[in-house]
Amino acid sequence: AQTVTQSQPEMSVQEAETVTLSCTYDTSESNYYLFWYKQPPSRQMILVIRQEAYKQQNATENRFSVNFQKAAKSFSLKISDSQLGDTAMYFCAFRTSGSRLTFGEGTQLTVNP
Amino acid sequence: SQTIHQWPATLVQPVGSPLSLECTVEGTSNPNLYWYRQAAGRGLQLLFYSVGIGQISSEVPQNLSASRPQDRQFILSSKKLLLSDSGFYLCAWISTGTVHSPLHFGNGTRLTVT
Repeated sequence: AQTVTQSQPEMSVQEAETVTLSCTYDTSESNYYLFWYKQPPSRQMILVIRQEAYKQQNATENRFSVNFQKAAKSFSLKISDSQLGDTAMYFCAFRTSGSRLTFGEGTQLTVNP
Repeated sequence: SQTIHQWPATLVQPVGSPLSLECTVEGTSNPNLYWYRQAAGRGLQLLFYSVGIGQISSEVPQNLSASRPQDRQFILSSKKLLLSDSGFYLCAWISTGTVHSPLHFGNGTRLTVT
């Protein structure tokens, strides 16, 4: 079975600081993609960043970057220079060659002024 | 460009009443379609997915059903709502055949069963 684990139900960070959200997954597939989604209070699901499993280089999107450790099956999200608008629920997910995405339970991030 | 429409945005229904939530996708063909439910502060629970017209897979036994009468239309239904059906429902689509495609979500429907 494919699983995604986000071990931090809640986290907080001061504005302008850096925070890392952890995610581990389990799959026997070798070809897959990993995603981080953000869900702000509006509850709209927004894609933050994605990573191809066959690429060793970590993906980066502006202030968001990932630390992908394939052997450890770890996919953490780093948010630099945190902003108040980053306050949201963050979901880690991965997709294999099938059509389904498997989601973690989410981490609620609060950015404090 | 591809867009996904989901309606209504908010719905309050009495117990025992029927339900119909609709989702349509524009700008793509033969997408895989999904219905998720999310309880407050919780993760996403996959309810149904469809890989083609009339093809529905159910992930969990429940009071709900889904249908796909057209290629880009996905409907979530119930004949008689239960209190436990309250939640936030999200429709989503994904391109077939490419692993790197992300899931694209609608804006969701907040359902309250009273």
